[in-house]
Amino acid sequence: EIVLTQSPATLSLSPGERASLSCRASQSINTYLAWYQHKPGQAPRLLIYDASNRATGIPARFSGSGSGTDFTLTISSLEPEDFAVYYCQQRSDWPPITFGQGTRLEIK
Amino acid sequence: EVQLVESGGGLVQPGGSLRLSCTASGFTFTSHWMHWVRQAPGKGLVWVAHINTEMTYTTYADSVKGRFTISRDNAKNMLYLQMDSLRAEDTAVYYCARDVPHQYFDLWGRGTLVTVSS
Repeated sequence: EIVLTQSPATLSLSPGERASLSCRASQSINTYLAWYQHKPGQAPRLLIYDASNRATGIPARFSGSGSGTDFTLTISSLEPEDFAVYYCQQRSDWPPITFGQGTRLEIK
Repeated sequence: EVQLVESGGGLVQPGGSLRLSCTASGFTFTSHWMHWVRQAPGKGLVWVAHINTEMTYTTYADSVKGRFTISRDNAKNMLYLQMDSLRAEDTAVYYCARDVPHQYFDLWGRGTLVTVSS
């Protein structure tokens, strides 16, 4: 099973700042990685797929990069609605499909 | 409107059974693989099961294999999760999710809460 490790667990930033979230895979997953945003009581939202492709309707301030074992989600300038929990997910070797444990992005 | 709506959650005793449903609307259900994903209280997302469009290929997380059964009714645009021999550790919000080829999830429901407790 491929284990995804996200860091940091919590990130405290202010609106307008740049956020960088990390996801590390226990073995190479090529670029078979997605990022999701999840707010309490809401459905998770696909942001990025195949490491760097924005999903439909996702603002350009969200970008993804990386390949192999190290990946980054960058939010260039935080908006108030961006404070949420973010998960990475791999589809390289399944089952099982696996998620990281999440990074909580909170307002400083 | 394109959406998924889960139902069927509730309180069940350990060892009991529950069947979750997911109603799909606004898109061609028969064109998509479907998944169940769960989130235990205070924890992260965990994939549970998948089913292909023709219902000929299903996979499960080890933690539910042999106890849970995923199925679908393409005529009714419905996805199901039959959960048997429930344990306390199955307590979670259960989400259905649409597969965008392949094994990414581009549409999710808001979830239904399952609580396993005596």
